[in-house]
Formats: sequence, structure tokens, C-alpha cells
Amino acid sequence: GAGVSQSPSNKVTEKGKDVELRCDPISGHTALYWYRQSLGQGLEFLIYFQGNSAPDKSGLPSDRFSAERTGGSVSTLTIQRTQQEDSAVYLCASSPSRDSSSVAQYFGPGTRLLVL
Amino acid sequence: AQKITQTQPGMFVQEKEAVTLDCTYDTSDPSYGLFWYKQPSSGEMIFLIYQGSYDQQNATEGRYSLNFQKARKSANLVISASQLGDSAMYFCAMREHSNFNKFYFGSGTKLNVKP
Repeated sequence: GAGVSQSPSNKVTEKGKDVELRCDPISGHTALYWYRQSLGQGLEFLIYFQGNSAPDKSGLPSDRFSAERTGGSVSTLTIQRTQQEDSAVYLCASSPSRDSSSVAQYFGPGTRLLVL
Repeated sequence: AQKITQTQPGMFVQEKEAVTLDCTYDTSDPSYGLFWYKQPSSGEMIFLIYQGSYDQQNATEGRYSLNFQKARKSANLVISASQLGDSAMYFCAMREHSNFNKFYFGSGTKLNVKP
């Protein structure tokens, strides 16, 4: 079946502009995660959605970052007033259920964001 | 304290040989899961293998096996018969049952397979 998809695959923007990144999770997956990965670094957790529950926003680095998930499916990560330090790969992952430590995440191909 | 520690930033292995990538973890939760992901240069994270804290046997998936030593809190990934396509970053991750909305990732190990 179809995996996690993300769009755009690459985004170049100017400092100060807003950007929106989109994630389509695997159908039926109730959990959705956003991560940020700077060049050569590990994954930085940003936000987690589970069904209709309130999202876990504890990883968002500033109030310029926000995310929403409509209808329990597609998610959009918005970065307002982008800064050069926002340049990174933004990865989305989904997972089929919430209450088990045995369930893996499945990742999309990422969006490479470059802020000039 | 770091939840996941990968102490090898980079590793080299000769094609067709086996290689072990180290991972240690820290948790007080008796129920947890351990995962390994591969990230090739294309950037996508690929799920490789899973080990549950209560599993009695080491997990295996094809050429991948997980050397799970619970008392030492280590979950090393063993890749047998390395191939050139195995060259990638490898990340160890953990999910705790008590906090299942969080995946903790290590800093990764860059594996280079030499022909």
C-alpha cells in the first residue's frame, strides 16, 4: 500500500516568509509525528498527534512553529517568519496505534527546507 | 541522561563481512520497545527491526539481527554479509510503554561499506 507522503520534497524560501509543509500518513494510522533533522544530525521531535486527542507540542522550538491535523489524517506544519536556522529536513512519520511500545513508526521522504 | 546512546559516529566494514552497530539505552520502564532504522543518502528513514523488552529471543530480519542484552541495556544491530547498499546512517530508537507517544532516537552511526 501507499506509504507516508510529504510535499513539497524541496522548498527554498527567503528569510521572513511563511512556509507550509504537508504530510499524508498511511491510511488508518492514528498517530502522526513531525521531526526536524539538521544536516548530519539526529532527529529532533517536534509534535505528535494521536486521533482526536490534544497534540503533544512539547518539541516545537518556538511559537513560529505550529501544526494541525485535519480530519485525523493530513497534517500541515507551518513555520512563520522563517529564519536561516530553520533550514533542515522535516520528516513526518505515522504509526498505526497508540497504546503499545511494540509499534514502529513509518517515515515519509521528508521535506528539505532551505531558508536564504 | 540520554535515553539512547550510539557511541560510534562512523564505521567502516568490508563488503561481505559482518558489522555490529552499538546502541545502549536508559529506561526504568519494564515494558519498552527498541527499533533500528536505516537512513540512506536519499533521506528516508526505513524501519529495519524491532525488539521487545519481554522478548526472550533476539530479533532477526533477514541479514539484520539484534543482539539484545537486557541487563546491560544494550541493543546492538548486527548486519551480516554487508553489501554496498548497506552504506547509510543507522539510528537506534526506543519507545516506552508508559510514554508511548515519544520515540527516542540516538545520534546515529554512519556506516560505510567498502568494496
